[in-house]
Amino acid sequence: QQQVKQSPQSLIVQKGGISIINCAYENTAFDYFPWYQQFPGKGPALLIAIRPDVSEKKEGRFTISFNKSAKQFSLHIMDSQPGDSATYFCAASMSMHQTGANNLFFGTGTRLTVIP
Amino acid sequence: GAGVSQSPRYKVAKRGQDVALRCDPISGHVSLFWYQQALGQGPEFLTYFQNEAQLDKSGLPSDRFFAERPEGSVSTLKIQRTQQEDSAVYLCASSLVPGAGTQYFGPGTRLLVL
Repeated sequence: QQQVKQSPQSLIVQKGGISIINCAYENTAFDYFPWYQQFPGKGPALLIAIRPDVSEKKEGRFTISFNKSAKQFSLHIMDSQPGDSATYFCAASMSMHQTGANNLFFGTGTRLTVIP
Repeated sequence: GAGVSQSPRYKVAKRGQDVALRCDPISGHVSLFWYQQALGQGPEFLTYFQNEAQLDKSGLPSDRFFAERPEGSVSTLKIQRTQQEDSAVYLCASSLVPGAGTQYFGPGTRLLVL
């Protein structure tokens, strides 16, 4: 069972536009929600992360919006650039896991293409 | 560089062969994770080490998969009697602090089982 559901599967955006990717989760024990960016042949790299005590976090052109009651969070990429073309993964983890492993549960990914 | 490194980057194995995949985490990082990423999918958790202790191996798909981190730094993921369904990218990640903190990923080892 997919613990984190992500949409859309793929996204095409014009340069300068806004890219929006959405994720939803069920497990209320999750308390850390990162977004990772992955280029072909590379490992995922942390882009931005949020904890549930805030509703929004902004870092440069990247913003996470978090809705705790709806158990949803989204990534907004403002002024999208061709260099942003990559696969984006949302994820979630719980810091108080019974084994101590705060492993990440990933969404299925969104392939973003920014057209020049 | 000071990032997570993995070797080999690519591995082709015949079905039934044993393989060993190596991960060098960032120096001083206590936590080490192994993930499996199938083509077109997100990474899925395999196992977790805190220093040399393997605290969670709930994600290992079968008893053919074995991981170790004997001195609390380098880790090896071993797959015995490889099967075609083992073909995937195997990612290693490390983090400084157990239970919290950013996980830094290596570039992965792409395993193809023929």
